[in-house]
This record gives sequence, structure tokens and C-alpha cells, in this order.
Amino acid sequence: EVQLVESGGGLVQPGRSLKLSCAASGFTFSNYGMHWIRQAPTKGLEWVASISPSGGSTYYRDSVKGRFTISRDNAKSTLYLQMDSLRSEDTATYYCATAEGAYWGQGVMVTVSS
Amino acid sequence: DVVMTQTPVSLPVSLGGQASISCRSSQSLVHSNGNTYLHWYLQKPGQSPQLLIYRVSNRFSGVPDRFSGSGSGTDFTLKISRVEPEDLGDYYCLQSTHFPYTFGAGTKLELK
Repeated sequence: EVQLVESGGGLVQPGRSLKLSCAASGFTFSNYGMHWIRQAPTKGLEWVASISPSGGSTYYRDSVKGRFTISRDNAKSTLYLQMDSLRSEDTATYYCATAEGAYWGQGVMVTVSS
Repeated sequence: DVVMTQTPVSLPVSLGGQASISCRSSQSLVHSNGNTYLHWYLQKPGQSPQLLIYRVSNRFSGVPDRFSGSGSGTDFTLKISRVEPEDLGDYYCLQSTHFPYTFGAGTKLELK
């Protein structure tokens, strides 16, 4: 059974950093591109970043480029999202998802507030 | 960026009835490899989104055949026949042909 379990969320002040993790199991993690997608409270879904199976290629939405870094450790079957210089508009539930969004984690809440 | 225009915003339906949701993209979603990366998701209240249809018309594992997807180029449709209570929630289309990937704004399927 495919499982994606996010962790690392919480309340953080503007300008500070947070690192999200997504532990994957039930499939060959190193074979699949992975994504981070977020959803602000009561809003729709927004793609944040993607990474290729090897980790050699990464893609970001403009509003997080230069502040967020997606990475992966295939030996640990874990996806990461390093979030720096956080802003109030980054407040959202963050989901990790497999290629084509076939499987999603349960989501982790990130609140950026002073 | 590719703009995904999803309609309607709200769709009241009767149980056992039919529903149709449209997604139009601001540019063609045909990838250079010939595939069209347009997918449909359902998000039930308090849950993560779940994949229903991938690449326009392919039902994901375990998805009932009451759900069907169609379309090409820039114009896509999700149809739900014989609506059941577990079908209620927010539906989203997603294009993953072009970066940045973009979602439609969502359609709330609710009881009439």
C-alpha cells in the first residue's frame, strides 16, 4: 500500500525557516517524480514545486523561487521542502504527491504569523 | 502561465442524477511527447485530494465507471453519472503539461 506521511509543519514567524519531510513507502520511490502542492485555508489547490526521480531537475512556482528548495533522499525514500524567508501568504496545508498526483499525503499545516 | 478556467463554481445535483464539469486551458495541453497531461481530482471535506482521471480519460485504480473524462487540446470535461453521496465535494482539474503546473479554481458538487 502506497503511503506518504508529511511532517515538520507548525507555527513560524515571518522571515523564519521550516523544513517539511514526506516519508514514502509502498512503491519504488526512486522511480517517480514528486511534488509539493499547497492549499491556503478555504482556498483551492496550488502547485509549489516538483523534482525528478533522480533529483537532478527541480521546478518551482515563481512566488517561492529562491526561497524554497525541494530535494529528495532516495536511500531514505523521503522528499523534503526547505522553506526560507517565509511570508504570511505561505500559510497553507502542504501536501506531497506522487507523479500525476496519483497518491497524496495527509497534509501538514504551516502557519506563518507573528 | 497556463490559466485553467473551470466551470461551474457550484453544481447542485440530485442523487442518481448527472453532473458535468468543464475545464478550459489558455493554451494547448498537448505535450511535445504527444501526451495530454490533464487530470481530475476530488477533495472530500477534511480529506486530501484523490485522483479520479489521469491524462484526460483514464480512470485511476478503483474509480467507478460512473466517472468519465473527455476532451482534447484546450477543452476538457468530467462527467459523473448516477451521482452518489460519496461523490460530493470539491472537484479540481490540473494541467501538468507546462510548468508551472496549474489547477482550476474548483467546482463544489453539492446536493440540490
